[in-house]
Amino acid sequence: AQSVTQPDIHITVSEGASLELRCNYSYGATPYLFWYVQSPGQGLQLLLKYFSGDTLVQGIKGFEAEFKRSQSSFNLRKPSVHWSDAAEYFCAVVSGGGADGLTFGKGTHLIIQP
Amino acid sequence: NAGVTQTPKFQVLKTGQSMTLQCAQDMNHNSMYWYRQDPGMGLRLIYYSASEGTTDKGEVPNGYNVSRLNKREFSLRLESAAPSQTSVYFCASSSNIGNTIYFGEGSWLTVV
Repeated sequence: AQSVTQPDIHITVSEGASLELRCNYSYGATPYLFWYVQSPGQGLQLLLKYFSGDTLVQGIKGFEAEFKRSQSSFNLRKPSVHWSDAAEYFCAVVSGGGADGLTFGKGTHLIIQP
Repeated sequence: NAGVTQTPKFQVLKTGQSMTLQCAQDMNHNSMYWYRQDPGMGLRLIYYSASEGTTDKGEVPNGYNVSRLNKREFSLRLESAAPSQTSVYFCASSSNIGNTIYFGEGSWLTVV
């Protein structure tokens, strides 16, 4: 079965600084990969997804992520964070068959320092 | 522009009570899902329905039942609520299995 690891439970970044959130997956074939963001008390919003093709994908709110098959990683990046980016970020994977929906990582809580 | 709508948003139950969480989507999606979210655990799949008329267990199905009433609606029932079921519940849908999944805003359930 597939699994997702987000090694950082909390990350603190200064406003205006760059951001990278790590995600590693375990799956035999090429997975479908997603990043979701959850603001406090809210549902999940899709930031970006990778299905195939160009390994660098652009998302909403200035985020991007790069799929690296050799490292089984799908790290999320943003060149300059804003205070409004403070939230919980979830990496998720679905297998090609996808019969059991998304498998989520446990999330990374992003704190923005002024 | 409703997307996925779930009710109620907040509920407090006593141990042993039953309740049903309702979910409806207006995107003509085939697949629907129920997840629960607990601190430090991410989201875990309870049940899913790949298409109208089918339902399957996910990672944590014990203590829950589901009904895919029609293509739009997918309900989650707690027959005898337990404190361990205190959680935030999310309904979600996708056009088909493997495609982008869209989430509702969540239902906060407390069992005392």
